[in-house]
Amino acid sequence: SYVLTQPPSVSVAPGKTARITCGGNNFGSTSVHWYQQKPGQAPVLVIYYDTDRPSGIPERFSGSKSGNTATLTISRVEAGDEADYSCQVWDSSSDHRVFGGGTKLTVL
Amino acid sequence: EVQLVESGGGVVRPGGSLRLSCVASGFRFDDFGMSWVRQAPGKGLEWVSVINWNGGSTNYGDSVKGRFTISRDNAKNSLYLEMNSLKAEDTALYHCARDWGHYFDFWGRGILVTVSS
Repeated sequence: SYVLTQPPSVSVAPGKTARITCGGNNFGSTSVHWYQQKPGQAPVLVIYYDTDRPSGIPERFSGSKSGNTATLTISRVEAGDEADYSCQVWDSSSDHRVFGGGTKLTVL
Repeated sequence: EVQLVESGGGVVRPGGSLRLSCVASGFRFDDFGMSWVRQAPGKGLEWVSVINWNGGSTNYGDSVKGRFTISRDNAKNSLYLEMNSLKAEDTALYHCARDWGHYFDFWGRGILVTVSS
């Protein structure tokens, strides 16, 4: 089964680039999805299938995956990007969905 | 506009039961699988259960298997989660989410379940 590891927190200054990592095992056989969650709001899908961006999500949000690490990159960070970000995969062997522990992005 | 609205939460004693509901609108409900995802206070997201488009296939996370039952009524555009033998560690905000390609493209705002004596 998958265990996804995220850093608890990442801090970045406005206008800079934030990179949030998600470590796992056997990422080659699954895709990684990313969600943004602001306090009191429903989570929002920001990246699916490693690199795809849903309509309405700014191009500043991008995803990548290399080896056993997936990365959510937020360019030109804005104050409104401050939120919790979680990665998620599908474990095909069990048909379970698995989340990482989440990363709190703080905009300084 | 896709909308998912949960209801049925509340305070329940350990060992008790509760039934959550989620009403969907803005899309053809019976074209999609649906999931429940929860978030305990101060914790990350945890997937709870999934049901396919017609209710013929279901699956559960290890922490709830045997205690929770997911179901749906496509005629009512509704998703349900029957929760039995509730434990303190089931205390969480429960979200329903549209399950598309094994990820969640739309979420409800969630409903709070508190298990406490």
